[in-house]
Amino acid sequence: GEDVEQSLFLSVREGDSSVINCTYTDSSSTYLYWYKQEPGAGLQLLTYIFSNMDMKQDQRLTVLLNKKDKHLSLRIADTQTGDSAIYFCAETRNNNNDMRFGAGTRLTVKP
Amino acid sequence: GAVVSQHPSRVICKSGTSVKIECRSLDFQATTMFWYRQFPKKSLMLMATSNEGSKATYEQGVEKDKFLINHASLTLSTLTVTSAHPEDSSFYICSAIDGERGSSYEQYFGPGTRLTVT
Repeated sequence: GEDVEQSLFLSVREGDSSVINCTYTDSSSTYLYWYKQEPGAGLQLLTYIFSNMDMKQDQRLTVLLNKKDKHLSLRIADTQTGDSAIYFCAETRNNNNDMRFGAGTRLTVKP
Repeated sequence: GAVVSQHPSRVICKSGTSVKIECRSLDFQATTMFWYRQFPKKSLMLMATSNEGSKATYEQGVEKDKFLINHASLTLSTLTVTSAHPEDSSFYICSAIDGERGSSYEQYFGPGTRLTVT
């Protein structure tokens, strides 16, 4: 299978929380990232987590890492229509700094 | 699914020389391509946005005369690192948006090019 996998679509109502999930295959992953892509624009880094951490919180964003299950999630609290975008999960590994991306999850926020 | 290739996958060049990296969309027309650079153990940084037939838009802090981008066709964009120096050593990734998918803005990534300047 792919190195990094994400579900392709997520739809939530404005004000609800969004949880975007990502799984990866390589246990030697060192850094894991979440990027946001808005229409017609390049990727923008949202947040990242080092592999020895379980959680990282930054304002409305919470990243959870379950290293045993190789599962990463991004929670967006109080989701707004401006959060509608594609979110990419990515990882780098200990023996190779090259970055691997998931296919991206399109988040749609309904009023 | 859509495929984006990059060539070469790895290149080593001497300081002061120039090196060209190609990014191709293999089964779709890419109206927009992006070039990213990844620093060791750090995240990916957007360098420039390349639209077919027009000049690239560079992000703040990226030298346009050093990183020449050409998007001459709907399937090919090139990044030329001119007068390369060791600090230009990095992993360069391109991505492309399928212009034929209406309002879609899914982005497809190339496998990356590892540049080492000695």
